[in-house]
Order: sequence, then C-alpha cells, then structure tokens
Amino acid sequence: TQLLEQSPQFLSIQEGENLTVYCNSSSVFSSLQWYRQEPGEGPVLLVTVVTGGEVKKLKRLTFQFGDARKDSSLHITAAQPGDTGLYLCAGAASGTYKYIFGTGTRLKVLA
Amino acid sequence: DAGVIQSPRHEVTEMGQEVTLRCKPISGHDYLFWYRQTMMRGLELLIYFNNNVPIDDSGMPEDRFSAKMPNASFSTLKIQPSEPRDSAVYFCASSPGSGYTFGSGTRLTVV
Repeated sequence: TQLLEQSPQFLSIQEGENLTVYCNSSSVFSSLQWYRQEPGEGPVLLVTVVTGGEVKKLKRLTFQFGDARKDSSLHITAAQPGDTGLYLCAGAASGTYKYIFGTGTRLKVLA
Repeated sequence: DAGVIQSPRHEVTEMGQEVTLRCKPISGHDYLFWYRQTMMRGLELLIYFNNNVPIDDSGMPEDRFSAKMPNASFSTLKIQPSEPRDSAVYFCASSPGSGYTFGSGTRLTVV
C-alpha cells in the first residue's frame, strides 16, 4: 500500500515568514502533485512534477521532487494570509492515473 | 466551463436510508474519480472511471456503496443502507489524464 506522509501536520506562522512542507513515501511515484484546499471547497491543483530532482516555481512557491521520486517539498517564501489552507501532496505510480493523497499540512498565516 | 458540479452540497439523512450523490464532470475529461474525506483518514479514493468504465473500485468500503457512470456527463455514488460512519465529505473529480479538477463536494451527515 502506498502511503504519503506529510510534515508538519499543522503550521501556524506570521505573515512574511518562510516555510517548508514535506511529503515522504517509501514508494516510487511516476508523478507527484500538490494541491491547496480551502474550507468548504475541493482541492485545487498547484503543480505536477514528473522528473526526479525537478524544481518548479510558482510565484512565491517552490516545489521539488526528490531524486529517487519518493519525496517532495513545498517551500513558500514570505507567506501571506492568502496562503492559508490545507496543502496536500498526491502521488501516482507508473502506468496509472490513480493518485493517492497525503495526510495533509494545515497552514495558517497570521496577519 | 462551470467546472465539476456536484449535488447536493449538503445531505442529512437517517441511518438506513438510501443516499445518492451526483456528479457532472468537465466535458472532454475521460477520467472521473470519487473520493471521500474525513479528518481521521484524509482523502481516500473510492473508485475511478475511464471513458465511463469502472477501472478500480478497490477503495469502495463495502457492498453498501455502488457507483455508476451511465454516460460521459454524469455519475452517481449510492450508499444503501447508510450508516453514521459514512458521514464525510464526498468529492468527485475529473481529469483529461493528468491533474484533477475537483468539485465542491457533498457533505453527508448520517444520523
């Protein structure tokens, strides 16, 4: 069974601080995605990474896929209250479009 | 496009009753997924379809759950009979092959 563990589980920081969220597994994934979910809504896709070692930037968000394609990180620079939400990683094994979701990191950015 | 449309948004039912959740995927998306989200277990994949055909239903908890996709624009998830432990937010998502678009979910409460 593929499991994706995220850390930390909860994070509360002040506006302007930097943070990193981790997503780890013992399984290898062909692709990994990050989503953000706000209360009362479904998750919204932020990025997809497919190559080991790949780094993608989306404004203040930097995503990295581990060399062995078993782990990933999300770094947010100068966090803003609008970044508040539940961050989920999701991985798919080779040859499938079936994504397994991680345990989630609940981020709160205080103004 | 209006995105993935789920109905109802909220459902409260008594134990033992039949519950039907509905989903209209984005036109042209070949994949449709049903997920369930709870605080304890996070987002769990229940079943997914490709071109209206069920591909993997290994996540369906038990025989009380069934899902259908009679055509490319409609899917249902049925629980009969419902139990209090089925209380959760149920999400439908569609995909053209990578990257999911989620609906806003149905919050189900079984009392």
